[in-house]
Amino acid sequence: QKEVEQDPGPLSVPEGAIVSLNCTYSNSAFQYFMWYRQYSRKGPELLMYTYSSGNKEDGRFTAQVDKSSKYISLFIRDSQPSDSATYLCAVTDSWGKLQFGAGTQVVVTP
Amino acid sequence: EAGVAQSPRYKIIEKRQSVAFWCNPISGHATLYWYQQILGQGPKLLIQFQNNGVVDDSQLPKDRFSAERLKGVDSTLKIQPAKLEDSAVYLCASSLVRVNSPLHFGNGTRLTVT
Repeated sequence: QKEVEQDPGPLSVPEGAIVSLNCTYSNSAFQYFMWYRQYSRKGPELLMYTYSSGNKEDGRFTAQVDKSSKYISLFIRDSQPSDSATYLCAVTDSWGKLQFGAGTQVVVTP
Repeated sequence: EAGVAQSPRYKIIEKRQSVAFWCNPISGHATLYWYQQILGQGPKLLIQFQNNGVVDDSQLPKDRFSAERLKGVDSTLKIQPAKLEDSAVYLCASSLVRVNSPLHFGNGTRLTVT
């Protein structure tokens, strides 16, 4: 069983729609939760970073963590074609070792 | 601030040949990582350096992969001999020493082994 599970997609949505992305993880020792965005032929870039359960908002992006269910989510409001990318969830333990999900490809069509 | 620099961007080699990748991290970042990202998968850590020393190389196939970070700045990752399954993007990342400091990735080297 992988430590971080993520649906690979692709997820296709029309411009302006809400994009909903999810990950589950298996180890309750994971304490830090991140979302990275990766454009084609580019390296991942950090999008959101959270430590506790609950919601964290940054502009059009909201990260949600439910530690009791070991479930993390990312929502993108008012999606734009420029949001088309692969979104990687990542978790770390207290030592900082990063575990990535496989990534979900998102396509936002004009 | 200049980002993480990697070269070459692309490399095509035949199996059993050798190849080397180079990485220059962000200035002041003491921690450097090499990740392997196979198509359709998330990045997998190969090796982590802090300054010159190796912190974690538990997933590095040491019979064919080697890495060094001389003088605590630039790093090279070598594969010798390459196998077909080594076809992947090799990503270098750097961060500050602080635990859970965000990683900054380069754009990677895309390796194709034929």
